[in-house]
Amino acid sequence: SYVLTQPHSLSVAPGKTARITCGGLNIGSYSVHWYQQKPGQAPVLVIYYDSDRPSGIPERFSGSNSANTATLSISRVEAGDEADYFCQVWDRNSDLPVFGGGTKLTVL
Amino acid sequence: EVQLVESGGGLVQPGRSLRLSCRVSGYSFGDYGVSWFRQAPGKGLEWVAFIRRKADGTTTEHAASVKGRFTISRDDSENTAYLQMNSLKTEDTALYFCSRRVRGAGSYIFDHWGHGTLVTVSS
Repeated sequence: SYVLTQPHSLSVAPGKTARITCGGLNIGSYSVHWYQQKPGQAPVLVIYYDSDRPSGIPERFSGSNSANTATLSISRVEAGDEADYFCQVWDRNSDLPVFGGGTKLTVL
Repeated sequence: EVQLVESGGGLVQPGRSLRLSCRVSGYSFGDYGVSWFRQAPGKGLEWVAFIRRKADGTTTEHAASVKGRFTISRDDSENTAYLQMNSLKTEDTALYFCSRRVRGAGSYIFDHWGHGTLVTVSS
């Protein structure tokens, strides 16, 4: 089955840009979606179809996808961005969802 | 406003059963698929099951870890999806979420989620 790989953790200073990666074989040929989950809360969709933002998500959140890596970028990082971030694709071979293991973003 | 509210979680002994409910509001329930996910303490998201909308045959898929023990279903007249969990194991202990599954171009997105219901399997 298709596998997505994310770094376990990432630490960023306030005001800087966080770049969270999601690796997968030829992931550039898939549509990648990103979810934010704060402790004890439900996941929230923050990016879909590689780079689209749902309404209500700040423009500081952006996404890209090419070759073997998709990236979620969060510019001007704030304390409130501290959360786990998961990438997701739809595996067309199994016709099932596949999630990355998640990246814990810590704001220093 | 789209809302999904899970219920039915609790403490249950290994080998017993539990049925979770996911009641939705704010959209036409019958037009969308529904998925269940779970998250064990300190772990990542695990997809559990999904059920397609009636127009797609109301067919279901279950993760290998729960196949044969869990069954997803839906009642469009009640705007509710269910997860029947039988033969529960301690490793099924987790926070269970339901979400709306949205079809897109070549992919599916889980765009709205409930807050979850906690299932604890312990003797």
